[in-house]
Amino acid sequence: DSGVTQTPKHLITATGQRVTLRCSPRSGDLSVYWYQQSLDQGLQFLIQYYNGEERAKGNILERFSAQQFPDLHSELNLSSLELGDSALYFCASSVGTSGTSTDTQYFGPGTRLTVL
Amino acid sequence: DAKTTQPPSMDCAEGRAANLPCNHSTISGNEYVYWYRQIHSQGPQYIIHGLKNNETNEMASLIITEDRKSSTLILPHATLRDTAVYYCIVRVARRNTGNQFYFGTGTSLTVIP
Repeated sequence: DSGVTQTPKHLITATGQRVTLRCSPRSGDLSVYWYQQSLDQGLQFLIQYYNGEERAKGNILERFSAQQFPDLHSELNLSSLELGDSALYFCASSVGTSGTSTDTQYFGPGTRLTVL
Repeated sequence: DAKTTQPPSMDCAEGRAANLPCNHSTISGNEYVYWYRQIHSQGPQYIIHGLKNNETNEMASLIITEDRKSSTLILPHATLRDTAVYYCIVRVARRNTGNQFYFGTGTSLTVIP
């Protein structure tokens, strides 16, 4: 158990819909990362938040957005869903000390999204 | 971040040491080598990381060559539960652009009874 929790575990929805994935980081961690893992593309970094502020963006679509709340939990919002958005979505957290190369990330169990 | 090259798959007999290689010939002086593994579709699990010196923890050992262009993850006594995809990642943390990891395709390790 990494200490990172994600809900829901599974999500099935239809094309065009909007969903919200939730992540609670480990106690004391200030950084939250979101990754997408689809069958044909492996683990792809989406976005990082540090202490409530966006820190880095990866291959995140404009239909997707995220935020980190004052209690440090994070939500990933996916809208206008397409079949190709079906994937595993992982959240990771780290202490997040800026510029520290040994900032180890700990991953949650993931949310499996299926778009029908 | 430096690119890494790993063999796509490996087998290892149960109880034997599993040696997983990784090439990172373009690594720079301040980049760390990290290893994670992913068992089936679970979240990636941190194993170990290092900069220059060899490292050991309760899970594995990390051997980094003197020129730092390659490394080897060693699982000393592989068990069936070690069957997973192992990712080698090199990364430098940048103060203003984040600490994200870039995962490659990894090595699929199968431990055989």
